[in-house]
Formats: sequence, structure tokens, C-alpha cells
Amino acid sequence: NAGVTQTPKFRVLKTGQSMTLLCAQDMNHEYMYWYRQDPGMGLRLIHYSVGEGTTAKGEVPDGYNVSRLKKQNFLLGLESAAPSQTSVYFCASSSSLGGSSYEQYFGPGTRLTVT
Amino acid sequence: AQSVTQLGSHVSVSEGALVLLRCNYSSSVPPYLFWYVQYPNQGLQLLLKYTSAATLVKGINGFEAEFKKSETSFHLTKPSAHMRDAAEYFCAVSEARGGATNKLIFGTGTLLAVQP
Repeated sequence: NAGVTQTPKFRVLKTGQSMTLLCAQDMNHEYMYWYRQDPGMGLRLIHYSVGEGTTAKGEVPDGYNVSRLKKQNFLLGLESAAPSQTSVYFCASSSSLGGSSYEQYFGPGTRLTVT
Repeated sequence: AQSVTQLGSHVSVSEGALVLLRCNYSSSVPPYLFWYVQYPNQGLQLLLKYTSAATLVKGINGFEAEFKKSETSFHLTKPSAHMRDAAEYFCAVSEARGGATNKLIFGTGTLLAVQP
């Protein structure tokens, strides 16, 4: 099992450019999440999905879009990058089965810099 | 609404000393509680979790945490720090038990430094 993988690991964008971050999980989890991590602010939820074809806004959704066309993949898009979106992005997944106790499994992260 | 407060953004201990990282939570329902560890340039890894069984929870790498409902606390401890414990530690609380999202609310993290 690879667990949760993220592509790419690093990316530098210019203001106004767009990009898509890919998250993939091989644990057959229903729930998937995108977070951003900024110094002193912990992890903040951007968007999440409770199943294939469904997405919902989290705490800080502005400037981001997501799609979950396949159960194993969760894509995070930035349509017009801004310097405020410089951050480390983490994807996570979680099982919907009883007894999962809400445990989330994290990917290794994507470090994005917007200049 | 659920929330988590981690007291002390930076904690420094000597190798072999007790590690104590503090976490207080606010929740309107009995929560699930978690401690995650993040080593430099890596993702988050689960250390331990409280799911309403035993109040003293043992995790990986010699860490443990005690759920104290009266104090709304879930502090993380380790009797003897190792250099390899240097990392950032995050406390998290479930948004709502029995919900259909498994969402977690994370604290702002505590960076643990271990001095030789």
C-alpha cells in the first residue's frame, strides 16, 4: 500500500497562473480532505469530499476548487494563484466504516510558492 | 463549536527529560481526540487517539496521553525524550461523533526541540 500520495512535491507559480494538485489514495476510503498549513496556524481545511462526485467547502475555500471524479483521487485547483496561497498543502483520507474513529491518513505534502 | 488550544508553540527539553505537551479542547459532545506528529518536511503521522475506551492512551514511540473530562484536557507525555522526538506535534478533536464527514479540528501545533 502506498497510502496517500500527492503530486507534485514542489511547485513555484507566478501570480495569476493556474495549477492542479493531485491526491491519490489506495485504501478505498470514502472521505478525502485538502488542508493548507501555514506557520503558527496549524492545519486549515480547504475543501473535503464524502464520496465520489461530492465536494464541500471547508474553513478556507476561497480561491480553490476541487473535484472527486474517481473515488481514489481528489484534485485541488488554483485558477489564479496569489502570493497568499503560498503554503504547504496536505491531502488526507479517512474511512467511513464504523470503528474508524475519525482517523485521517495524510500524504507527504506539496510545497507551493507563488511569486 | 469544537476547538483545540495547544499551550506553548515551542517547547524545549533536554535529552532524557520528561516531555509534556499541553492540549485543551472544547466540545459540545464527547469527542474523539488525536495527537499527530510531523517530522521535518513530512506529512502528519498518527501518534495516538482517544475514542472513549481507556482514558490513558498509549501510542507509538513511547508517548501516551490522558483524557481528563473535568479539565477538558488531553496532554501528551513521554517519560524520557530522545533526539529523534524533535518534531512538531498537533492535537486534534473530532468535529462531531456520528457525523458523516470525519472532520477534525487541529490545534496550531507545538514544536518540540530536544537538546543534547
